[in-house]
Amino acid sequence: GENVEQHPSTLSVQEGDSAVIKCTYSDSASNYFPWYKQELGKGPQLIIDIRSNVGEKKDQRIAVTLNKTAKHFSLHITETQPEDSAVYFCAAARSGSARQLTFGSGTQLTVLP
Amino acid sequence: DTAVSQTPKYLVTQMGNDKSIKCEQNLGHDTMYWYKQDSKKFLKIMFSYNNKELIINETVPNRFSPKSPDKAHLNLHINSLELGDSAVYFCASSQVANTQYFGPGTRLTVL
Repeated sequence: GENVEQHPSTLSVQEGDSAVIKCTYSDSASNYFPWYKQELGKGPQLIIDIRSNVGEKKDQRIAVTLNKTAKHFSLHITETQPEDSAVYFCAAARSGSARQLTFGSGTQLTVLP
Repeated sequence: DTAVSQTPKYLVTQMGNDKSIKCEQNLGHDTMYWYKQDSKKFLKIMFSYNNKELIINETVPNRFSPKSPDKAHLNLHINSLELGDSAVYFCASSQVANTQYFGPGTRLTVL
């Protein structure tokens, strides 16, 4: 089955700096890579996703890059703000009738004011 | 309006009991899921279900069973609860294989 590794497990940045979280996956058939943000006491919320036919995707301060050859993908957050503080999860899945996501182990991001 | 809701939010029970967690989605999605998040925040798929197919993660004990009375509901029933079942359980839903939307979670504590 799929295995997703995520680094770092914790990340502290100063407000305004950039944050980068990296993930690798094992299943070359995976073709869907979402990123979720989980705030304390809440469920994960999708912030951005990328499919394997695209190398990069941006949405305002958030971008995701995908390297299919190396089987890794990364989340980039620019101009970080205190409200970006949360646990971030990467995930991978194959296409199919029901997409069973395999999650990374999470990154606790803390943005220091 | 809440898209994916779960009840109860907190559940405290004794070992050996049987309990259920309810999930409802009002998004019109056709696929629903259950995930388990352990104390280290690790999220693991337990089940995915639509009206055609139930996919069970092979590591899930058969004490856990999903029950779907209709397309908008997927409840999780747990028999003979064990200490190791303590976790936060999340329900999610999606339209076929698109974006999954998660509920707020149910924190289960087994004493």
